[in-house]
Amino acid sequence: DVVLTQTPPTLSATIGQSVSISCRSSQSLLHSNGNTYLHWLLQRPGQSPQLLIYLVSRLESGVPNRFSGSGSGTDFTLKISGVEAEDLGVYYCVQGTHAPWTFGGGTKLELK
Amino acid sequence: QVQLKESGPGLVQPSQTLSLTCTVSGFSLTSYSVHWVRQHSGKSLEWMGRMWSDGDTSYNSAFTSRLSISRDTSKSQVFLKMNSLQTEDTGTYYCARNPLDYWGQGVMVTVSS
Repeated sequence: DVVLTQTPPTLSATIGQSVSISCRSSQSLLHSNGNTYLHWLLQRPGQSPQLLIYLVSRLESGVPNRFSGSGSGTDFTLKISGVEAEDLGVYYCVQGTHAPWTFGGGTKLELK
Repeated sequence: QVQLKESGPGLVQPSQTLSLTCTVSGFSLTSYSVHWVRQHSGKSLEWMGRMWSDGDTSYNSAFTSRLSISRDTSKSQVFLKMNSLQTEDTGTYYCARNPLDYWGQGVMVTVSS
């Protein structure tokens, strides 16, 4: 199975600070059809996960544009340009290129 | 609007079978596939399997042969059945539309005698 390694496991930020989360895959996530099925989720405390970014860099409808995704192959990054209080929670990367789908271990974003 | 809602027993005895239902609205099961995802308390997420829009299924081999996913398109429902439950199967079970853009609220399942 594909292993997704997220760093850091915990991130402390002040409101307005820009932060980045890394997701590294044990193998390339480039599918033979040309798509890279790497997505980012946010799970706020007590809530279900929500999709933020899909296919590496595409912003899900309704998600603020302070969120952005980048990367290719095995290295991917989620960036938040100006953290807001509502961004607190656990961020997960997830891949759907190779069966079974797998999730990263999560990065908890806290207020400093 | 798009909604998914899981339902099922909150408590299951060890060695018994878990049966969960995901009832969807706002989209057709013949147009979108639906995933089942599990989360142990305070832990990361684990993909269990998928009901494809054409009725095919995919499973995480970690669940070997004890997992079964089916559907009733007339009722807009996707079903999860998992047998031989152990305490390690305790957790919150979610269904989500592909590509994980909509999630149910989750159902918490405790395996205990």
